[in-house]
Amino acid sequence: EVQLLESGGGLVQPGGSLRLSCAASGFTFSSYAMSWVRQAPGKGLEWVSAISGSGGSTYYADSVKGRFTISRDNSKNTLYLQMNSLRAEDTAVYYCAKDLWELTYWYFDLWGRGTLVTVSS
Amino acid sequence: QSALTQPASVSGSPGQSITISCTGTSSDVGGYNYVSWYQQHPGKAPKLMIYEVSNRPSGVSNRFSGSKSGNTASLTISGLQAEDEADYYCSSYTSSSSVVFGGGTKLTVL
Repeated sequence: EVQLLESGGGLVQPGGSLRLSCAASGFTFSSYAMSWVRQAPGKGLEWVSAISGSGGSTYYADSVKGRFTISRDNSKNTLYLQMNSLRAEDTAVYYCAKDLWELTYWYFDLWGRGTLVTVSS
Repeated sequence: QSALTQPASVSGSPGQSITISCTGTSSDVGGYNYVSWYQQHPGKAPKLMIYEVSNRPSGVSNRFSGSKSGNTASLTISGLQAEDEADYYCSSYTSSSSVVFGGGTKLTVL
């Protein structure tokens, strides 16, 4: 079955760190760019970061640049998001998403169920 | 990167057609044909409905169509059905090599 499964969310204090994981199955993981997209409670979607299929290119939203790091392990079919210096405004459901094609990272045709990150003291 | 501008809500009766607009700038919507649309039901993950301005992924009803003129993209849903009631988001690639979403539009089927 083609699917994405996020994990690693939870409650963390402001200034803390968290690492999210996204396990992929049912498709050739290394052939597609992957992204993280978040959604604050009751709010809209916000793109966070993307990584090429090889992992050689990464892209970030200004709101997380310098604090978040995206990476992937193609041998484990897993995507990661290392989140440091967390702020209250980072509270959201974090989705991992697969791109439609090999050479793009802006069309998300497969989404996980999301994992909730809550930043609060 | 500012969010793309969408109306907060639209509504229509079953069988009717509605259009949702998505306004950006020449640095995103107007500069590239890399616009996509997503449908999101409450508590669910988004679903890709349109990519590259007007293309439908396999399995998406042909009642959904997309277009673009200048800095504004549009999603049209014809023959409205109850199950179309959801939030809709547009998205575009940007000149900063990032991706920007619209604020979202809540579609109510009356």
